[in-house]
Amino acid sequence: GESVGLHLPTLSVQEGDNSIINCAYSNSASDYFIWYKQESGKGPQFIIDIRSNMDKRQGQRVTVLLNKTVKHLSLQIAATQPGDSAVYFCAEILNTGFQKLVFGTGTRLLVSP
Amino acid sequence: KAGVTQTPRYLIKTRGQQVTLSCSPISGHRSVSWYQQTPGQGLQFLFEYFSETQRNKGNFPGRFSGRQFSNSRSEMNVSTLELGDSALYLCASSPGARNGYTFGSGTRLTVV
Repeated sequence: GESVGLHLPTLSVQEGDNSIINCAYSNSASDYFIWYKQESGKGPQFIIDIRSNMDKRQGQRVTVLLNKTVKHLSLQIAATQPGDSAVYFCAEILNTGFQKLVFGTGTRLLVSP
Repeated sequence: KAGVTQTPRYLIKTRGQQVTLSCSPISGHRSVSWYQQTPGQGLQFLFEYFSETQRNKGNFPGRFSGRQFSNSRSEMNVSTLELGDSALYLCASSPGARNGYTFGSGTRLTVV
């Protein structure tokens, strides 16, 4: 079935710590994954993406890891800042020829100064 | 480059009424998708349009409909509103072919 799940609903970290947000997906046909950040009152904002032919991709302070064997994604945020506080969603695009994002339920990241 | 624009930002409607929400995609983006976001269900896919054609539809009742115009702008309509339709409705545009999506800020619909 179509489902993307998140292991933790809330993650609390101290400023400067590294954060890891995890996500499990169930559709082995998915070949493209995106992490979004959503702040209160705003739409989801693209953070980083990864295609299924890769297992790691790095951006500015963020890294996404993809483990296709266990259908698992993670988002690592280095030196977490208060401005990183938001809800983070992983999303997969199903390889059906049509574009359809299937979102996880979201993880709220709380960063304490 | 302007982002995805959704209007109105906030809307209050009475049960039984209908509502039309509007989305203007990023210039050059031909794919427009709509999502419903609620605290209980998260982000749920409604439908996707590409070049004025609905290519994909989520599991929502027929009260939810949409369309796309030749300039790629899209509208979604909800008829016979129910209290449970209260949600943030998000529009996202994409260049197509499994590229990233850019979301608008959404329309917050409250049904009373």
